[in-house]
Amino acid sequence: SQQGEEDPQALSIQEGENATMNCSYKTSINNLQWYRQNSGRGLVHLILIRSNEREKHSGRLRVTLDTSKKSSSLLITASRAADTASYFCATDAWYGGSQGNLIFGKGTKLSVKP
Amino acid sequence: DAGITQSPRHKVTETGTPVTLRCHQTENHRYMYWYRQDPGHGLRLIHYSYGVKDTDKGEVSDGYSVSRSKTEDFLLTLESATSSQTSVYFCAISERALAGNTIYFGEGSWLTVV
Repeated sequence: SQQGEEDPQALSIQEGENATMNCSYKTSINNLQWYRQNSGRGLVHLILIRSNEREKHSGRLRVTLDTSKKSSSLLITASRAADTASYFCATDAWYGGSQGNLIFGKGTKLSVKP
Repeated sequence: DAGITQSPRHKVTETGTPVTLRCHQTENHRYMYWYRQDPGHGLRLIHYSYGVKDTDKGEVSDGYSVSRSKTEDFLLTLESATSSQTSVYFCAISERALAGNTIYFGEGSWLTVV
């Protein structure tokens, strides 16, 4: 079962606009991560936010985390055509024993038109 | 880019045949993962390894087996391929076990079972 669910499923904007993607999850987490996937490529890590953090920045990226609402948002400011990709949130998961892993949402497909 | 090489990158095989996908890393990371990515399901963990000869099941392990005889290599085997195993397979690595750490992905292996 999926832990994180991104919203919207698809987003189309013009270059220069801001893009906001949301992620909701079901159970308590220690950390939440965002990844980007360009078409036909592997996923690339963007940013990690811990459960005791509320906001984190990295370049044009801003991530917020609201543990009371079990939700996170990823904001990309001043978007560029090169930002066109799918974006995934990933949360902690445990498969028995002491090993932790990630569960990924289904992603938001962002299209930035020049 | 993380030093992860997946082979083959593309494969078409017939139902009932065995298939092995290889993941090779040059980062000396302890943890290795196999995910599959399907439309409507996002990424799902198949198996993972937390050391040489130490492996465990993920969310969708039925029909798959893995082996890790060396730190750098993690093999995924489909004993008897079925059409439902047509998918994109991603290998990933991480330095530490817990989900609060970044996972690095390979470029993917596209498998078609006809």
